[in-house]
Amino acid sequence: AQKITQTQPGMFVQEKEAVTLDCTYDTSDPSYGLFWYKQPSSGEMIFLIYQGSYDQQNATEGRYSLNFQKARKSANLVISASQLGDSAMYFCAMRPAQKLVFGQGTRLTINP
Amino acid sequence: DGGITQSPKYLFRKEGQNVTLSCEQNLNHDAMYWYRQDPGQGLRLIYYSQIVNDFQKGDIAEGYSVSREKKESFPLTVTSAQKNPTAFYLCASRVVGSYGYTFGSGTRLTVV
Repeated sequence: AQKITQTQPGMFVQEKEAVTLDCTYDTSDPSYGLFWYKQPSSGEMIFLIYQGSYDQQNATEGRYSLNFQKARKSANLVISASQLGDSAMYFCAMRPAQKLVFGQGTRLTINP
Repeated sequence: DGGITQSPKYLFRKEGQNVTLSCEQNLNHDAMYWYRQDPGQGLRLIYYSQIVNDFQKGDIAEGYSVSREKKESFPLTVTSAQKNPTAFYLCASRVVGSYGYTFGSGTRLTVV
């Protein structure tokens, strides 16, 4: 069975600091994709970054980077220079086949 | 602009009544998905469809039904058999073979 685990229910970070959100996954499929989404209080799901299981390099998108460690089955999200607008729920997700499987999420709060 | 439209944004239902949530996309995406989100939790897959007139059960399909008569539409009916229907419902779509998912803005259903 596929499973995503996010062990940090909540995190508090000072503005401008970097933050790492943890994500571990479990799958027996050799081919899969890993995603991070941001969900503000409005409820929409905002796509942040994607990493394919065969990608050799870690994905980066602006201030977001994905620290992909395949042997450890981890896909941590790193946000550099955090901003007040980064306060939201963050979900790690995996697509082993046709469907996305989500973790429980981490609530990130950026303090001024 | 292309996107996914979910309506209504808020929905109130009396116990024992069926209710249908609308999801329409103009992205020409093949696959469509319905997810349920409970407070402080991740998203769980209810149903998904990869082509017109075909759909598959997700992890929590009991008490729900769907139809896919048109490529752009994937309505979800919450039946009276659903024991605890109060939740936030998100619709998503993607082109089969691509990794990008597009989400709607969600419908918040409350049973009164």
